This record gives sequence, C-alpha cells and structure tokens, in this order.
Amino acid sequence: KQEVTQIPAALSVPEGENLVLNCSFTDSAIYNLQWFRQDPGKGLTSLLLIQSSQREQTSGRLNASLDKSSGRSTLYIAASQPGDSATYLCAVTGANSKLTFGKGITLSVRP
Amino acid sequence: KAGVTQTPRYLIKTRGQQVTLSCSPISGHRSVSWYQQTPGQGLQFLFEYFSETQRNKGNFPGRFSGRQFSNSRSEMNVSTLELGDSALYLCASSLITPGGTDTQYFGPGTRLTVL
Repeated sequence: KQEVTQIPAALSVPEGENLVLNCSFTDSAIYNLQWFRQDPGKGLTSLLLIQSSQREQTSGRLNASLDKSSGRSTLYIAASQPGDSATYLCAVTGANSKLTFGKGITLSVRP
Repeated sequence: KAGVTQTPRYLIKTRGQQVTLSCSPISGHRSVSWYQQTPGQGLQFLFEYFSETQRNKGNFPGRFSGRQFSNSRSEMNVSTLELGDSALYLCASSLITPGGTDTQYFGPGTRLTVL
C-alpha cells in the first residue's frame, strides 16, 4: 500500500528565505508525482507535475525534483513571500490511477 | 475555459440523512475523481469515473456511491450520514484517466457538516 509522508507538518520562515519542502513515498512504482497548493477552505491548485521518467520541473520560483529510486521528492521555493503561505501537498499516482496524498506541510511566511 | 465546479459549496445535514453532491468537470475532461479531506485523515480517494464507468474505488463503506452521466458530470451520494462524514469533499477532473500525463484539476469542494 502506497504511503506518502511529508515532514514537518508545519513550517514558519521569514520573508525572502529560500526553502525546501520534502516528500517521501514507499512504493517507487509511480506514474507521476504532483505538488499542490491549498489555501484555507479552498480546493487544490496543481503547482508542478513530474512524470516518473523526469528528474525535475520548474515553474517560476518553484522547482520540484523527483528521485524515484529513493522514493523522495523536494519542492524548492525561492525568495519566499507572504503570499506563498498555504498548505503544500505532495501526491503520487500509482498503477491503479489514483492519487495518494501526503498530509501536507502548512507553510507560513512572515513579513 | 471554466474550471471544475461543485455544488453546493456548503451543506449541513443531520445524522441518518442522505446527501448528493454534484461535480461538473472542465469541458472535454472525461475522468472525474472524488476525494474526502478531513483534518485527521487528510485527503483520501473515494472513487474515479471514466466514460460513465467506475474504474477505481477507495476503501470507503458502501454508503458512499457515485455515478457519472454522459456529459461527464458526476454525482456522489452518501446515505445514512454519520458524524464522521463531516469533511471537505473534493472533485477533480482530467483529460484522460489519471496515471497518464495529465494533471488533475480540482474544484473548490463541498463542505459537509453532519450534526
């Protein structure tokens, strides 16, 4: 059974800091890995999708990497801003085509 | 292009009642998945529909059911509501079945409160 872990559950950083969010998964047989952002009480917004054959994806200040063999992914956020405050969720798509989510990391960026 | 829409956005029900939630996917998307999000369990997969057929199902009791119509709109139904069913229910659509190269696009969710 696939398990996705995100540690720590919460993180608080000062504005301008570069930061790394970690995600680990137990079964390396995945089709892809996605990072989502969720604002309080809202749905999920897809930030980056990495196919199993890829090593990383970039979008603006965000860079996500994938090491499938070790079951790890990182989301790098450069020059963090208060508007980046949200919960960041990592999810993997398995052979049965369903997403398995981590419980998320709640990020607070202090002005 | 309009995003995924879910109705209603908020619902309050009492134990024992049943509820139906609706999801309209992005135009052209044929796959619709449903998820339950609670503070304790996080996001959990309920089921996925593709071309009116349920393709995958998560580990939820039979009280949770769903269907998809020919226009790809989907509904989920929860019967005999329990307090523990209080959650944010999220719907996601994708162009083809998840597991391919397509991102899942999520709706804003329906917040269900069971009293």
